[in-house]
Amino acid sequence: GVTQSPTHLIKTRGQQVTLRCSSQSGHNTVSWYQQALGQGPQFIFQYYEEEERQRGNFPDRFSGHQFPNYSSELNVNALELDDTALNLCASSWRQGATETQYFGPGTRLLVL
Amino acid sequence: GESVGLHLPTLSVQEGDNSIINCAYSNSASDYFIWYKQESGKGPQFIIDIRSNMDKRQGQRVTVLLNKTVKHLSLQIAATQPGDSAVYFCAEKGPGRTGGGNKLTFGTGTQLKVEL
Repeated sequence: GVTQSPTHLIKTRGQQVTLRCSSQSGHNTVSWYQQALGQGPQFIFQYYEEEERQRGNFPDRFSGHQFPNYSSELNVNALELDDTALNLCASSWRQGATETQYFGPGTRLLVL
Repeated sequence: GESVGLHLPTLSVQEGDNSIINCAYSNSASDYFIWYKQESGKGPQFIIDIRSNMDKRQGQRVTVLLNKTVKHLSLQIAATQPGDSAVYFCAEKGPGRTGGGNKLTFGTGTQLKVEL
């Protein structure tokens, strides 16, 4: 399945953070979502063939990378209190209309 | 813009009863829909999906119904069990773009509580 590290992280405002994701075997696409407490996941961006293919309404402080082995990183600069959330990675096999995304357990980020 | 909403934030059912969780979507161009189950402290877990060219799809104890006329999606769980207690999200995917991404748009979720 999809794995993420670390499981939990505490940072202070202004710091930078890097979260990691390993895709499910056979998957070539990775998406990142942010889930605030009590809300549904919000799409950050999606990577395929090491390129960002689509981006949600998140500032440039959020950036990502997909590696040749399809693992991925989410980087967030200049952390703000509102960045406190569960950050979810989802992998999928790019196949058009029915691209089912499978989620990892998430990294819970707390910004103080 | 796209939005996915749920009619009920909390649903309480007795063990053994059937559960129905509803979802409204606004993007008539969405071509794929997924139901996820999320337990406390975990990531969303895939339950069942349906393409826009279908009206109904059945899995093990779950059925998804799609009504494109009124842009409504529902998840039916048969013989609800305590292990079904979780938050359920519906998600929609808009039509794919050549070379583009396939983002999912989620609703806020419905908390299903199974009473013994």
